[in-house]
Amino acid sequence: QKEVEQNSGPLSVPEGAIASLNCTYSDRVSQSFFWYRQYSGKSPELIMSIYSNGDKEDGRFTAQLNKASQYVSLLIRDSQPSDSATYLCAVIGGSARQLTFGSGTQLTVLP
Amino acid sequence: DTGVSQDPRHKITKRGQNVTFRCDPISEHNRLYWYRQTLGQGPEFLTYFQNEAQLEKSRLLSDRFSAERPKGSFSTLEIQRTEQGDSAMYLCASSLGGNLYEQYFGPGTRLTVT
Repeated sequence: QKEVEQNSGPLSVPEGAIASLNCTYSDRVSQSFFWYRQYSGKSPELIMSIYSNGDKEDGRFTAQLNKASQYVSLLIRDSQPSDSATYLCAVIGGSARQLTFGSGTQLTVLP
Repeated sequence: DTGVSQDPRHKITKRGQNVTFRCDPISEHNRLYWYRQTLGQGPEFLTYFQNEAQLEKSRLLSDRFSAERPKGSFSTLEIQRTEQGDSAMYLCASSLGGNLYEQYFGPGTRLTVT
């Protein structure tokens, strides 16, 4: 079982819609959760971090964490074509300091 | 505020050659990480420094790979006797330390081994 799992997609949404990206993780002691955006040929860019159960909002982005279900999600409101990218879920577990990444979900926002 | 920088951005080498990559972290960050990413996959952890101390190495890191961070500033990653399977994007990231775990990535070095 992979430690961090994401649907690979591709996920397509129309411009202006809400894009919902999901991630599950296997290590119950994981404490820190991150979403990165990666454009083709570029490096990952940190867009959200979340440490506590519940929702965290930053502009058009909302991260949701449910530690009991070992589930973290990212909502992108009012999706724009410029949001088209691969979204990577990453987790730091236990005493580790390094990130463990999922394989990413490719999002396409259609004009 | 200068971000993480990496050099070179691209490297093409022949199998069996040695290569070295450099990473300069964000200036006040004391943690530095190396990851490797292949097409269609998320980055995989290679190694991690806190200041000049190398605190963790992935089991994936063969003995052909070595990393240093002299004086706790920039870091180098060397790959000896490169193999075609080493072709990947090599990413460096840094974080502030303490209870702040957000990691910021550099632009990466794309290695092609022919």
